This record gives sequence, structure tokens and C-alpha cells, in this order.
Amino acid sequence: AQSVTQLDSQVPVFEEAPVELRCNYSSSVSVYLFWYVQYPNQGLQLLLKYLSGSTLVKGINGFEAEFNKSQTSFHLRKPSVHISDTAEYFCAVSPNNNAGNMLTFGGGTRLMVKP
Amino acid sequence: DTGVSQNPRHKITKRGQNVTFRCDPISEHNRLYWYRQTLGQGPEFLTYFQNEAQLEKSRLLSDRFSAERPKGSFSTLEIQRTEQGDSAMYLCASSAHRGGSHEQYFGPGTRLTVT
Repeated sequence: AQSVTQLDSQVPVFEEAPVELRCNYSSSVSVYLFWYVQYPNQGLQLLLKYLSGSTLVKGINGFEAEFNKSQTSFHLRKPSVHISDTAEYFCAVSPNNNAGNMLTFGGGTRLMVKP
Repeated sequence: DTGVSQNPRHKITKRGQNVTFRCDPISEHNRLYWYRQTLGQGPEFLTYFQNEAQLEKSRLLSDRFSAERPKGSFSTLEIQRTEQGDSAMYLCASSAHRGGSHEQYFGPGTRLTVT
């Protein structure tokens, strides 16, 4: 079984400031890692994913994340945020055993970008 | 691709009534997933299909819930004898599961309110 912990339920930040959204996971098997964004009353959109290879992955909208296996973390970062980045962000994992790849999500972090 | 579509987008029903939701995945995606998201929480896995076969069901899926994917294309999720605790956003996702792709594409969701 897998579990995902997003340590911050809300992160307020000023526009053009850097931001880091934290994600830690627990799993007895190797996993794939994902970050999704959800705008109000919409479904989830994939920001980026880590499957294998380089531990630093780049996604859409200027976001990037780094996989740290020893710390079981997959923190999301952006060097300069915009008002339009205000949304709910979800970290998720799925087992990489090719048996279904169902996602286990964290509780979400609400990013609030202030002018 | 037109994306994953879900109907209806909103459903209000009285406790004890039955409801049915429909999900149309991206064409030729062979995997289809259902998740439930309650307010302020991350989505939780309910069940998934590979083609027409339902391969896994979460313990969250009580016997009042049933899902089908009769021809390996669209899927329906039915909730019988609805309870107030069933109020949530029901999300559908699909994936191709070919060529190493593990990305799930989400629909906009169906928001269920049980009064």
C-alpha cells in the first residue's frame, strides 16, 4: 500500500516569489510520482511526472520537481509564481508494477498567489 | 482527442434515490478509472477497468456502488439508495497504458449532492 503526505494544506505567496510545495510518500514497492493541478470546478491536469532516470523533472507552466529516494520526497518548485498559479495542487504515486497504476493522492496544497 | 467527458456535471438527488453517472474516455484508451473526491481532500481510487474487464475495486466501493464498461468504451457508475455521505465529486480518468505511458487524463467530474 502507498500513502502520500502533503505537509502544507495552504501556501500563501506573493506574485513573482519562489514557491515550494512539499510531498512525502510511503510505499513498500517502487513507485511512479506525479503532480496534478486542479482549478476550481475542474478536473485534474498533470503538471509533471517521474517514471525513471533523472531525478529532476520539468513540467508545464514553469514547474519542476525533484525525486529524492532516500527522503521519499517529491517536492514541487517554481522560481517565480503568477496570479494564475492559484489553484489546488496534488501529489500522487502509483506502483510501478504494471498491475493497474491506480493513483494514491495526498490531501492537496492550496497555493494562493497574492498581488 | 476531445478529452475525457463526464455527464452530468452536477446532480442533486434525495437520499434513497438511485443515480447513474457516465464517463466517455479518450478514444482508444484501454484503461478507465473512477475516483471520488470529497471537499478539501485528494481523490480516492474507487475502481478501474482494462477494456471491459473490471480488474480492481477499492474497499470504498460498497455494494451500493456498481460500475460497468460494457464495450470497453464508455463507463457508467451507479449508486443505489444514495446516502448523504455519498455527496462528493466523482472523477473519471483514462489512460492508454501503451508505450510506457502512465499518465491518467481526468474528466471534469460529476458533483453529486444528496439532500
